[in-house]
Amino acid sequence: GDSVTQMEGPVTLSEEAFLTINCTYTATGYPSLFWYVQYPGEGLQLLLKATKADDKGSNKGFEATYRKETTSFHLEKGSVQVSDSAVYFCALSDPGAGSYQLTFGKGTKLSVIP
Amino acid sequence: GAVVSQHPSWVICKSGTSVKIECRSLDFQATTMFWYRQFPKQSLMLMATSNEGSKATYEQGVEKDKFLINHASLTLSTLTVTSAHPEDSSFYICSATSRLDSPLHFGNGTRLTVT
Repeated sequence: GDSVTQMEGPVTLSEEAFLTINCTYTATGYPSLFWYVQYPGEGLQLLLKATKADDKGSNKGFEATYRKETTSFHLEKGSVQVSDSAVYFCALSDPGAGSYQLTFGKGTKLSVIP
Repeated sequence: GAVVSQHPSWVICKSGTSVKIECRSLDFQATTMFWYRQFPKQSLMLMATSNEGSKATYEQGVEKDKFLINHASLTLSTLTVTSAHPEDSSFYICSATSRLDSPLHFGNGTRLTVT
């Protein structure tokens, strides 16, 4: 079945540091890939997405490129801020699985310290 | 933007009792709602998919008689954990969408602790 593997946290960075959160996936079809973010006390929010190979999703300074050859969708940001502290979930949606169902990774908690 | 309200945000109950969690779409009609569960250090796992006016479709391994899902209107879905046990303690999140090709909107989640 489909699965998503993302790096274990927690990740602690200083402000303005470079961020990478690795995410790899397995899927039977041609999935869409997502990064969701959950800020403290809030629900999950879509951060960015990519629907086909070589697409790059970007939002709020975060980027991730859909790499079919390596089945990866790593999240990056060049300079993190304290306000980026949150839990980040990588997810996929496989149309072949039917309906709009998401398979999530375990989540990576990011803490950014001043 | 679209908002999904989930209530309560946390609940503590005694073993053997039932707990109801509500998921409301505040400014759109949610034809489809999803319920997820997350155990500590585990992935969010889809429990069931519910379409308004229809019976929920449960994922393999999820007991439909234990986790009762009702989606009686286009703005409300409820998850009732019946005869809760400590192993049901978890974080439950709902999501909703107006169409299957539209973005998902998530509730804030409910932390259930069964003592």
